[in-house]
Amino acid sequence: TQLLEQSPQFLSIQEGENLTVYCNSSSVFSSLQWYRQEPGEGPVLLVTVVTGGEVKKLKRLTFQFGDARKDSSLHITAAQPGDTGLYLCAGAIPTNAGKSTFGDGTTLTVKP
Amino acid sequence: GAVVSQHPSWVICKSGTSVKIECRSLDFQATTMFWYRQFPKKSLMLMATSNEGSKATYEQGVEKDKFLINHASLTLSTLTVTSAHPEDSSFYICSARALVSGRRVTDTQYFGPGTRLTVL
Repeated sequence: TQLLEQSPQFLSIQEGENLTVYCNSSSVFSSLQWYRQEPGEGPVLLVTVVTGGEVKKLKRLTFQFGDARKDSSLHITAAQPGDTGLYLCAGAIPTNAGKSTFGDGTTLTVKP
Repeated sequence: GAVVSQHPSWVICKSGTSVKIECRSLDFQATTMFWYRQFPKKSLMLMATSNEGSKATYEQGVEKDKFLINHASLTLSTLTVTSAHPEDSSFYICSARALVSGRRVTDTQYFGPGTRLTVL
């Protein structure tokens, strides 16, 4: 059973377009992270959201945590080729001994 | 802050040899570290949870005698792949768990850069 469903799995867009990636679950998370990973490297933390309804902005990236802390979205405005990579969401479940549940990832390709 | 290093970044070994990978949290202490394996264009697969001062907890299907984990201090965990075989070739990534950032409880994992293991 996939506890954290991430969509879409693949996304190929032109430079300048906007996009949104979603992570949905039936579980409540104490916190949720978004990472970006490039080939051959480890995931790099983009943001941690903790409070239900929280919205965080990181330049052209906007992250939202659902009111019930079960879902999250990542919106990228005016995507650039440098945004290309694998985006992962991960939720920390309070009763899960510190382990995080990861989405399957979204492979984003931004064409110039 | 919250930097995690991993060494080596890549290793090539012969079948039957053992390989040790180190994971260090450079600027924070981590009572819990995690070891993942990642296949091409896939998400992370948790192998085990490494707890400082106690035995590691392995996920179902992961052989504890094959993948030895030692969490000797609050900043160092090691993964030893024993008697490596070609099917063990993969990208191994560690993470260190940080519970607090400033005054905020965040419970976030910070990842190392990964180790590419190739077994010939």
